[in-house]
Amino acid sequence: TQLLEQSPQFLSIQEGENLTVYCNSSSVFSSLQWYRQEPGEGPVLLVTVVTGGEVKKLKRLTFQFGDARKDSSLHITAAQPGDTGLYLCAGDSNDYKLSFGAGTTVTVRA
Amino acid sequence: NAGVTQTPKFRVLKTGQSMTLLCAQDMNHEYMYWYRQDPGMGLRLIHYSVGEGTTAKGEVPDGYNVSRLKKQNFLLGLESAAPSQTSVYFCASSGAYEQYFGPGTRLTVT
Repeated sequence: TQLLEQSPQFLSIQEGENLTVYCNSSSVFSSLQWYRQEPGEGPVLLVTVVTGGEVKKLKRLTFQFGDARKDSSLHITAAQPGDTGLYLCAGDSNDYKLSFGAGTTVTVRA
Repeated sequence: NAGVTQTPKFRVLKTGQSMTLLCAQDMNHEYMYWYRQDPGMGLRLIHYSVGEGTTAKGEVPDGYNVSRLKKQNFLLGLESAAPSQTSVYFCASSGAYEQYFGPGTRLTVT
């Protein structure tokens, strides 16, 4: 059983469209991280959110941490083919370890 | 800086054979991790280490052993490989919150 549930599992959109990926849990996390993984490579950190209700923006990517620190979302505006990849959320429970969601595979068609 | 390196990149084993996966990091990180990644299941923690000479079990430790004799190296061993251990294995290291991942080892057990 995944501690973190991500939805949707797959997302295919046209270039220029917007998309949102969700990460939900019944557990409280001290922080939550989002990673992107491209085929044949390891995940790379995009952002860490720490405070409940926090919103962080990285160019066209907006990350939100839920008020109760149990859920998060990733919104991409005007998606580009370079945004294609596997997006993983990971929760930190302050025990040296991260719990990862199963991931959302995003495909942006040119 | 090479970051996190893993050897080998690919390996095919027969059932019952043994092998060791090598992970090295040059960032002087205290924490190191071994994950396996299977389709639809995200990253699952096998074993981890919070410092030289220490190791601990993760979510799926059965069939694997690890050693951290030097701070920069973390070894993952399979004593008697089984087809269920066919997977992509990732090593990661961390100094605080962010985890840095290696490129992965694709292992097939026939």
